[in-house]
Amino acid sequence: SQTIHQWPATLVQPVGSPLSLECTVEGTSNPNLYWYRQAAGRGLQLLFYSVGIGQISSEVPQNLSASRPQDRQFILSSKKLLLSDSGFYLCAWIDRNYGYTFGSGTRLTVV
Amino acid sequence: GNSVTQMEGPVTLSEEAFLTINCTYTATGYPSLFWYVQYPGEGLQLLLKATKADDKGSNKGFEATYRKETTSFHLEKGSVQVSDSAVYFCAPSGGGSYIPTFGRGTSLIVHP
Repeated sequence: SQTIHQWPATLVQPVGSPLSLECTVEGTSNPNLYWYRQAAGRGLQLLFYSVGIGQISSEVPQNLSASRPQDRQFILSSKKLLLSDSGFYLCAWIDRNYGYTFGSGTRLTVV
Repeated sequence: GNSVTQMEGPVTLSEEAFLTINCTYTATGYPSLFWYVQYPGEGLQLLLKATKADDKGSNKGFEATYRKETTSFHLEKGSVQVSDSAVYFCAPSGGGSYIPTFGRGTSLIVHP
């Protein structure tokens, strides 16, 4: 079965510090992978998606970047965090017939 | 691409009340339709799905029917419980689009 691992679960970082969130998928190959952010009490905002190794599409201009160094690994990064980067970050992959599988999320608080 | 309109929340109900959360979509092609649930502090989980017109998805007492003629996928439950309190997301998938589309989410609050 397909599973998705996301870590860390919670993170508190000072403004200006770097960020690296990692997501890995098991049980599938060549998945479409997605990073979402969910601000408190809000819906899901698509940040990045990737259809293959080294292929990254950005949906919104921002302080974040994404990379896909391996087929089943998707990384969300920042060189210098802003207060506005706080939120709940979710990694997901999609099977067009069976829908999306989400990671358990990372709660990021920038202080 | 796809788009979704989901009813505004929060929806506040008493336990054992009937629930309807409306969802309509626009899509090119024939998407599969999904409802996801997010419990407090957690990621999203698939609640139910329907892959073609007139299909009914069901799970945990929730149901939704794929209505192609009205492009709707309304979520219903006959008798809600306090444990159903969560945020519910409607989402079409596929139909020619790589980009998953989510509604804004509807918060459900069930009081004892």
